[in-house]
Amino acid sequence: DQQVKQNSPSLSVQEGRISILNCDYTNSMFDYFLWYKKYPAEGPTFLISISSIKDKNEDGRFTVFLNKSAKHLSLHIVPSQPGDSAVYFCAASSYNTDKLIFGTGTRLQVFP
Amino acid sequence: GAVVSQHPSRVICKSGTSVKIECRSLDFQATTMFWYRQFPKQSLMLMATSNEGSKATYEQGVEKDKFLINHASLTLSTLTVTSAHPEDSSFYICSARDMGGLTPNSPLHFGNGTRLTVT
Repeated sequence: DQQVKQNSPSLSVQEGRISILNCDYTNSMFDYFLWYKKYPAEGPTFLISISSIKDKNEDGRFTVFLNKSAKHLSLHIVPSQPGDSAVYFCAASSYNTDKLIFGTGTRLQVFP
Repeated sequence: GAVVSQHPSRVICKSGTSVKIECRSLDFQATTMFWYRQFPKQSLMLMATSNEGSKATYEQGVEKDKFLINHASLTLSTLTVTSAHPEDSSFYICSARDMGGLTPNSPLHFGNGTRLTVT
């Protein structure tokens, strides 16, 4: 049972435009969400997070939106840059556990 | 920033042998480390939670006798794949959370992973 889903396996965006990566979850106990970026043969690196008490968190070019009623979150990257090309994973956890549950990932390609 | 070092980055072994993977937190202490496994084009699947000074907690479906975890100190956890078989070939990644993190949900820091190939 995949509790965290990223339904788009890939996304292609032109440089300078907005990239929107989506993530859905099923477990209503999740209250903390994170986005990680991963290059091939490397471990994921943390990008941005959001707690369930917020609906938006912004850090530079990265903004995460959370819609708790829809159990949906999204990562916006604007403007997109070629160096953003990587696989993006959303992850979720609940306050009373250390475990992170990852989505299946979306491969973002930013072309010139 | 916090760094997690994982070694080796790549290992090829023969069927039936055992392989040890090390995970170290270089500039912080971690009472808990996590071991993940990633199959090609799939998600990172949590295998087990490594607890310093006590037994690891394994996720459902993960054989504890197959994947031995030892967390001997606050900066080192090891995963040993015993009697490896070709189906154990995968990308294994460890992670840790800085005990000095501001909240219980401070982001995990990941190692660079180990690509295991069993021939």
